[in-house]
Order: sequence, then structure tokens, then C-alpha cells
Amino acid sequence: EIVMTQSPATLSVSPGERATLSCRASQSVNSNLAWYQQKPGQAPRLLIYGASTRATNIPARFSGSGSGTEFTLTISSLQSEDFAIYYCHQYNTWYSFGQGTKLEI
Amino acid sequence: QVRLVQSGAEVMKPGASVKLSCKASGYTFTTYYIHWLRQASGQGLEWMAIMNPSSGSTTYAQKFQGRVTMARETSTTTIYMELSSLRYEDTAVYYCARAHWAIAAASPTTPEFWGQGTLVTVSS
Repeated sequence: EIVMTQSPATLSVSPGERATLSCRASQSVNSNLAWYQQKPGQAPRLLIYGASTRATNIPARFSGSGSGTEFTLTISSLQSEDFAIYYCHQYNTWYSFGQGTKLEI
Repeated sequence: QVRLVQSGAEVMKPGASVKLSCKASGYTFTTYYIHWLRQASGQGLEWMAIMNPSSGSTTYAQKFQGRVTMARETSTTTIYMELSSLRYEDTAVYYCARAHWAIAAASPTTPEFWGQGTLVTVSS
């Protein structure tokens, strides 16, 4: 099983600031990496797939990068609605998720 | 628009089986894979199973092999997931989700559209 490790577990930032979230895979997942946003009581929302492609209707302030084993999600200028938990997800070999990064004020 | 509507909350006893449903609409049912995932309270996401609604073929996570069964009813565009031999640790919100890429794309694909979730509580 491919283990996905996200860091940090919690990231405290202010609105308007830039946030950088990291995800590491225990073995290469090529570019088969997605990022999800989840708010309390809601289903996850797909933000990024293919490591760097924004899903439909996702604002341009969200960007993804990386390949192989190291990936980054960047939110360029945080809005109040961006405070949530973010999960990375590999779908290269079976499917597995990171444990999440909580983005808080 | 793509919509996945799941069945309502369930309270089950240990050892029982639960069968959840997921009705898809807004797209051609047989052209996209459907996943089942779950999330225990305060925990992360766990992938359970995937089905090709066109062929009915399924793949299950090793952890759930022998306990999970997916089925579909194409006439009603509904996918079912049955989990047997329930344990307390199966208490979670269960999600169905449609894949991003169509089956015909033959590409690795991640869940894109999600149902609202179904809370399953295992309690004696």
C-alpha cells in the first residue's frame, strides 16, 4: 500500500496570506495525485487532479505541483471560505489518502 | 448536473449487514466508474471499492475483501454497497462518488462528484 504523508498537520495562517501544503508518497505515484477540500459536515470537494490541473469551477488561487513522490498545494491568497481540511489522494496504485492538513486562522 | 443521492442513516447491530444505495443522475450512468469510500468521525478518508456500472465488474480494497459487495441496477441508475459482519469500528459516514474520467478514457481516475454521505452507526 502506498502511504501518503501530509505536512503540516495544522497550518495557521491569516486571510490574504499564502498557504503551502505538502504531501509525500511512499513510492512514486507519477502525476496521479489529487487534492480535496473538506468542510465540516460536507463531502470532499475535488480541487486538483493530475497533480496540477484545477477541477471545474475551482478558483485560480488554488494550484498544485509536483510529480513522483513530492507534491504541493498552494493557495495564493487565502479567503475566509478556504479554511478547511485538505487531503491529498493518490490513484496511481489502488487508492490511498493522506491524513489531512487542517488550515485554520 | 451530476448528482448522487444516497440513502438515509442506518443504525445496525454488530454482526449485521447494511446495504446502502446511491442514485446517480445528470450523466450517462454506464460511462463512469463509481467509488465507495468512508470516513469515521474526525478521521481521514478510506477507499473501499469501485465498480464499472457498464460491465458490473468490481474491485475491492483488500481490507474489505469478503465483507463488501457492490451491485448496480441500470434501470434505476442506482449503485448499492453492502457491508457485512459489521463491527463497532465500521461506524462512519459512507460516500459514493463518481470518477472524474470516463471509463473510455482508460486513465487512472479520482473521485470527482460525491454523494451527500450516509451515516452508519454500529451499536448494540
